[in-house]
Formats: sequence, structure tokens, C-alpha cells
Amino acid sequence: GQQLNQSPQSMFIQEGEDVSMNCTSSSIFNTWLWYKQDPGEGPVLLIALYKAGELTSNGRLTAQFGITRKDSFLNISASIPSDVGIYFCAGQLGTGNQFYFGTGTSLTVIP
Amino acid sequence: DSGVTQTPKHLITATGQRVTLRCSPRSGDLSVYWYQQSLDQGLQFLIQYYNGEERAKGNILERFSAQQFPDLHSELNLSSLELGDSALYFCASTRPRYGYTFGSGTRLTVV
Repeated sequence: GQQLNQSPQSMFIQEGEDVSMNCTSSSIFNTWLWYKQDPGEGPVLLIALYKAGELTSNGRLTAQFGITRKDSFLNISASIPSDVGIYFCAGQLGTGNQFYFGTGTSLTVIP
Repeated sequence: DSGVTQTPKHLITATGQRVTLRCSPRSGDLSVYWYQQSLDQGLQFLIQYYNGEERAKGNILERFSAQQFPDLHSELNLSSLELGDSALYFCASTRPRYGYTFGSGTRLTVV
């Protein structure tokens, strides 16, 4: 299957700090998604990106679809304790195909 | 509530046994995807169904099988269970240009 490299693997930050994480692939994707997963729960969709260069925001979250279509970035501004969780990127090669997931970035926010 | 229903939420069984996990997609969604998430691992794609037909296969073991019924609910059958099959199993449904909506998962523990 496709390999999505997500970094960093984990982050420990102070409340109020900004967070950046990214996802890269050797393949060109036509859709990128970002999910957050709380312990024991299913991943929840945060942001969906459908076009190269697209920049989309959802509250304090902003994600971008890389120009090369092989990467995507997620930024969280002014982190708060409830941002704690595992963030996954997911890429889709073509419409109707399955999504491939990154290995996740574990975020810990220290109050 | 994501609209995707998975049952049971927890399952404990012995090695060598067989279990069935059930998923009801969100109303109107035709596609169902099954994923396995082992401890501290990302989401591994198992299989996809679309309107009752198998559409794609991922890293699904031969001991595992799935089907989607006319009412669009899906079942994932896991047989000859091994300790290493212990994991969270998620199903997701999707509609065009929306990405996945995940259920809350079934936690399978094989003892």
C-alpha cells in the first residue's frame, strides 16, 4: 500500500503555542484529509482538501494541500488542552478509492 | 454521533474463535470501508464495499472476510483468531467529496 510519512511522531507543547505537522507521500493524491482521534474513539474529520494549493481553515485549524500534491500541512494556533489527541493525515489517489493514512502525530498540550 | 454505527463496542474472545463485527453506514452512504488499528499504530485498510459489492482489498488476512448486505450494513468476520488480531476495528462510510465518517469502533481482545 501507499506510505504516508507523518511528522513529527509526537509533540509536547505549552498551552497557547502554535502547532505544525505535515504529511508527505511518494504518490500524487487528489484529496487530503486531516483527522483527530481521541482515545477509544473513531477518528473525526477536521479538514478536507480537494485542490493543489488549497488552504482551508476550521476555527483555529488550518490545513494546506501542497502544490506538488504529494504533501499536506496542518497548523493549530493557540493550542488548548482539548487539542490533545492523535492527528492523522489521509490521502486518496482517485475518487472512490480508499484513503491511506499516515502513522499519526500524538499531541500533548501542557496547561 | 457520527451516524455510523458499530457493534459491539467491546469483544473479548479466545484464540481460535470466530467473531463477527457489524457496521451500519450513515444513511444514504453506499460505501463501507473497514480498517484495523493496532496499539500505537495507524489505520490499516482492510476492505471496501460499494452498494453490496467488494470494491477494493487491502491488507486483509485470508482468515478475515466481509460482506455488505442489501440494506447496506456490513459485517466483518474474523476467524481462527490469534493474539495479534487484538485491535480496534473501525468501519467508515463515505459520500462523494466528503471523506470518511468513522464509527466509534469495536475493540477486539483475543486472550
